[in-house]
Amino acid sequence: QVQLQESGPGLVKPSETLSLTCAVSGYSISSGFYWGWIRQPPGKGLEWIGSFYHLGNTYYNPSLKSRVTMSVDTSKNQFSLKLNSVTAADTAVYYCARPYTSADKARFDIWGQGTLVTVSS
Amino acid sequence: QSVLTQPPSASGTPGQWVTISCSGSNSNIGSHTVNWYQQLPGTAPKLLIYNNSQRPSGVPDRFSGSKSGTSASLAISGLQSEDEADYYCAAWDDSLNAYVFGTGTEVTVL
Repeated sequence: QVQLQESGPGLVKPSETLSLTCAVSGYSISSGFYWGWIRQPPGKGLEWIGSFYHLGNTYYNPSLKSRVTMSVDTSKNQFSLKLNSVTAADTAVYYCARPYTSADKARFDIWGQGTLVTVSS
Repeated sequence: QSVLTQPPSASGTPGQWVTISCSGSNSNIGSHTVNWYQQLPGTAPKLLIYNNSQRPSGVPDRFSGSKSGTSASLAISGLQSEDEADYYCAAWDDSLNAYVFGTGTEVTVL
């Protein structure tokens, strides 16, 4: 059974960098699949941040592309999200997720529980 | 601002049929399959429908999806209290080269 768990600071100051990690259990990241991040501001809808493949293919939301970096640590079986120059508009619940099949870049069917990140001084 | 438009709310009494629309364009729904997600209060979204009308294992068959042109629909037949949730459509968009979610629809069971 594949499980995902997000972790990271719950509070980030404006202009700083948001850093989150997603620990994967029950499946080896290096075996395949794209892996993704999605966020949801409080009381609002879902926004795809991006998806990446462990061998290097990445797809980022064009509205966030200039500030986003996704990376993977196969030795720890986890992947990470960095979002720089954050503002209050980046306050959201951040989810990591895996798509339904290895051919999908999105179409997520396995999700982490989500972690709330608040941007405030 | 999402490129997939949904009605903000829908409602019905237990046992009723409820439908949710999702309107897009040629670059998203018109070119790619549509997925639907259900998000119960305080929980992560759950993939409800994929490839326009397919249900993952474990999803009740009272949930059904369809697509026509640049629009898609989710139908819930025999509405139940546990169906109270937010529902989102989603699809890949070629113009944005991005996965886009709909604006979301809150379903209320009266």
